[in-house]
Amino acid sequence: SAVISQKPSRDICQRGTSLTIQCQVDSQVTMMFWYRQQPGQSLTLIATANQGSEATYESGFVIDKFPISRPNLTFSTLTVSNMSPEDSSIYLCSVAVLDRADGYTFGSGTRLTVV
Amino acid sequence: QKEVEQNSGPLSVPEGAIASLNCTYSDRVSQSFFWYRQYSGKSPELIMSIYSNGDKEDGRFTAQLNKASQYVSLLIRDSQPSDSATYLCAVNPGGGYNKLIFGAGTRLAVHP
Repeated sequence: SAVISQKPSRDICQRGTSLTIQCQVDSQVTMMFWYRQQPGQSLTLIATANQGSEATYESGFVIDKFPISRPNLTFSTLTVSNMSPEDSSIYLCSVAVLDRADGYTFGSGTRLTVV
Repeated sequence: QKEVEQNSGPLSVPEGAIASLNCTYSDRVSQSFFWYRQYSGKSPELIMSIYSNGDKEDGRFTAQLNKASQYVSLLIRDSQPSDSATYLCAVNPGGGYNKLIFGAGTRLAVHP
């Protein structure tokens, strides 16, 4: 399966600032996704990162708050903008190589605390 | 709205027993199904995928899929304390979607 490097692994940020999370994959992948996992909760999809075009956001998530870039097939970034304590969460990059049984894998996650 | 439902648990089983985890989904056209294991503080790890009705076995794990009844289950034989984790069911809704929809997860505790 694809090997994903996600960084930073954790950060503590001041409210009102922004943090950019990077996701680097060791091979070209078809799909890249960004998820959020709030404490004690399951995974919620933020958006699908599309190569060369704007990301596709899920209901409740907007581009101004969570801008996403995907300049090529192996790299994507998620920015959490104008942060508030409610943004404290784990953010996870996931990739999918279609038609592979082991296609959907996750990065190690970024634990974000906003103070 | 497409949903994936799991019993949140905790499901407590003795070491050596069979743990049975269940998941139901609402979108009848769903095409593929996944079970992830997540240890506390770690990211989800894929343990099983299943696409066709019936059983699929991999070591101590067996995934079962019944599309007519819209449920998928995971059996863990000879449960070990190291199996204690949260198990997440995920569904690819199909119909051209590629994203996964996750259930809330079932916390499994295997006690010696």
